[in-house]
Order: sequence, then structure tokens, then C-alpha cells
Amino acid sequence: GAVVSQHPSRVICKSGTSVKIECRSLDFQATTMFWYRQFPKQSLMLMATSNEGSKATYEQGVEKDKFLINHASLTLSTLTVTSAHPEDSSFYICSARDGRVNTEAFFGQGTRLTVV
Amino acid sequence: DAKTTQPPSMDCAEGRAANLPCNHSTISGNEYVYWYRQIHSQGPQYIIHGLKNNETNEMASLIITEDRKSSTLILPHATLRDTAVYYCIARLNFGNEKLTFGTGTRLTIIP
Repeated sequence: GAVVSQHPSRVICKSGTSVKIECRSLDFQATTMFWYRQFPKQSLMLMATSNEGSKATYEQGVEKDKFLINHASLTLSTLTVTSAHPEDSSFYICSARDGRVNTEAFFGQGTRLTVV
Repeated sequence: DAKTTQPPSMDCAEGRAANLPCNHSTISGNEYVYWYRQIHSQGPQYIIHGLKNNETNEMASLIITEDRKSSTLILPHATLRDTAVYYCIARLNFGNEKLTFGTGTRLTIIP
């Protein structure tokens, strides 16, 4: 299957700082990227959907000013957690899809964020 | 997306076939059935998908009932590395249609 690379895999940051997570599609063009969050022992929860060159669409209850998403190219999307707090500690996962060819979505390996 | 229902957990002996059921009684005619799995602390991995015909690939087989209200994912010869949470998702197959994850089935392969 196609490869989606997410970086970093783990990050620890201080409360009040911002953290950027990158998601890259390595061998295909991702017209659409999805960002998920997963708390321990829970399922993945969709945070937002982004289309290349457009503003992201956020799910209900997700603060767009706190979770900044940029999808400026067909191979890169970034999620920035601004003014992080301990309750933002979670497993963040990106997914990418080329909607023009209706393929399945492929997932990155996830980023474990710990805010101390 | 149609709601899917899966058993919360299952065990299967190593080397045997693992059969994971999924109910999607409200699925619409143009919604596909997708299966993903998530091994602990990793991103989900695509397994297989289908619309109404049975499908097979190198990982698994997907059996969809004729009325499309349920399906079964079959791992023909389960290994310990197949221990994971398996998600069955019904979704439209175009553009930026999102994948919404339920609680899935935690499959444990027993040595």
C-alpha cells in the first residue's frame, strides 16, 4: 500500500508551548488529509478534514484556533497544537487519500504527544 | 455513514481461521464496507474493502451477505502478529468522504 509518514513519532513539550506534527504522503498525491486523535483505550476520533489548498473542516467540538491545520501541498499537511495543555496529551494520527482515484485512505504511524 | 456493530472482543487460536463479524443493517446501496486494523500504538492499517461481491487479497477475505446487512472478515491462518483491534466501517467511496471509526473488535490470537 501507499506510504504515509508522520513526524515526530513522539514529542514531549511544556504546557503553554506549541507543537507541530507533520504528515507526508511519500508515493502518492494526497488531495485530502484527515487528522485523528486517540485517547488510551478509546477509538480514533476525527478532528478535521483538509483538502489541498483549502481551509480545513473541523468536527464539532474541535477548536480550530487551537488545532491549526495547514495542507499547502499535495504531499504535506501539518497539525499545530497551540498553547498545549496536559489534557491535549494524546495519540495523533493522520490519514491521506487521493480522492481523484477513489483509493482507500492510508494512515501515518501516529504521534504520541505528552504535555508536561 | 451507516452505523456498524461489532463484538467488542474475540479470541482465536494461532493457525486457525479468524472470522470477524460486522453488522451494517442500515447500509445504503452505494456505501462500501471497509476493514482496517490497529496494532497497539500504531496507525490503522488498511485490510480490504468491498461493495457487494466477496473480495480476497493477500491479507484477508471479505464475505458480504447478499442483502449487504452484514459481512465477515476472514483471516485464513491467524498468527500472533494479527492480534489487533479490527474496525469495520461503511462509507461512500469518493473524494473527501471521511472514515468514522467505531469501537471495533479486539482480536487476540492465542498461541
